[in-house]
Amino acid sequence: AQKVTQAQTEISVVEKEDVTLDCVYETRDTTYYLFWYKQPPSGELVFLIRRNSFDEQNEISGRYSWNFQKSTSSFNFTITASQVVDSAVYFCALSEAGRAQKLVFGQGTRLTINP
Amino acid sequence: DSGVTQTPKHLITATGQRVTLRCSPRSGDLSVYWYQQSLDQGLQFLIQYYNGEERAKGNILERFSAQQFPDLHSELNLSSLELGDSALYFCASSAPGLAGAKQYFGPGTRLTVT
Repeated sequence: AQKVTQAQTEISVVEKEDVTLDCVYETRDTTYYLFWYKQPPSGELVFLIRRNSFDEQNEISGRYSWNFQKSTSSFNFTITASQVVDSAVYFCALSEAGRAQKLVFGQGTRLTINP
Repeated sequence: DSGVTQTPKHLITATGQRVTLRCSPRSGDLSVYWYQQSLDQGLQFLIQYYNGEERAKGNILERFSAQQFPDLHSELNLSSLELGDSALYFCASSAPGLAGAKQYFGPGTRLTVT
């Protein structure tokens, strides 16, 4: 069965600090996909990144970076020089490569960036 | 704007009632997914349709049903509502034929059962 664990329920940091959100997943499949979504206070779910299980290359997009390590089944997300606008709930999710492509979400991490 | 639309945005109803949530996917997307977000259960997958046919079912209650119409819009029907059904219901869509395709989420329908 698939499972995603985000052990950090809430994180609070001061603006300009770097912050890492942890994500650990479980799956029996060799082909799978990992995602991060952001849910700002307005409530919508905003896609941030998608990574397939065969691509362990880390990715950087501006202040955001992602570290995928199959050896530890982790897909962590780092925000560098955080800003108040980064305050949101962040979800890590897993999808298997089958007929059904449902997303299994972690419980989310509420990130608060204080000015 | 994801291109996925959901109506209504808010819905307040009483226990025992029935409601219908509507979703229009992005142009060209054949898959529609429904998710429920509640405080105690988090974000949970309910059901997926692909080009009019049910493709996968999650923890969807028997009181809930869904369908996807020929024009690809989808409706989620919730009946015999209980207080615990109060939640944010999201619809998402994805492009056809792509494994692990990115899912685009609509703005959600917030259901309050009183």
